[in-house]
Amino acid sequence: GAVVSQHPSRVICKSGTSVKIECRSLDFQATTMFWYRQFPKQSLMLMATSNEGSKATYEQGVEKDKFLINHASLTLSTLTVTSAHPEDSSFYICSATGTSGVKETQYFGPGTRLLVL
Amino acid sequence: DAKTTQPTSMDCAEGRAANLPCNHSTISGNEYVYWYRQIHSQGPQYIIHGLKNNETNEMASLIITEDRKSSTLILPHATLRDTAVYYCIVRQGRRALTFGSGTRLQVQP
Repeated sequence: GAVVSQHPSRVICKSGTSVKIECRSLDFQATTMFWYRQFPKQSLMLMATSNEGSKATYEQGVEKDKFLINHASLTLSTLTVTSAHPEDSSFYICSATGTSGVKETQYFGPGTRLLVL
Repeated sequence: DAKTTQPTSMDCAEGRAANLPCNHSTISGNEYVYWYRQIHSQGPQYIIHGLKNNETNEMASLIITEDRKSSTLILPHATLRDTAVYYCIVRQGRRALTFGSGTRLQVQP
């Protein structure tokens, strides 16, 4: 399989601050990365899809100005939660997929738990 | 992408085979069946996927019916570490995976 890492694994921040989460594909080039979030006892919900070098495509109901996504290279995507509020507290998970063979499968990072006080 | 239907929960005795069913009656010809699992507080882990032939890897086997309207994931010798939520997902091309509620598998000692 392929390895996807996320950093940080957990973060606590004050309301109104911004938080950046990094997602890296460690052993393959990720042409497409996906960002999900998961609230307690719920399933994963897709937030946005980003292709390297292009603007992200956001799902309905996800504010693009609040959740800034950058996918500047084939191995790194970042999600910035701007002006975070307690309702943004959630488990954020990134996923990456490559171009061919087994790398067309979506591989997931370990997730980042965000708590906004 | 086609929707899937899975039982909400299942129990399995440690050391026995766990057979997790999934219905995907509206699957189209170019959609693959993927299985992932999510252990508590972790990101989903890829298990296996297939189009129409049965597949096997070091983790599990995937049995897809001839009409492709249903499939079964088989964990041949379940261990306590296999306790997780298992998701059956139908995916076309390289689209984002859409997660349903999955099956919560509890492996009992």
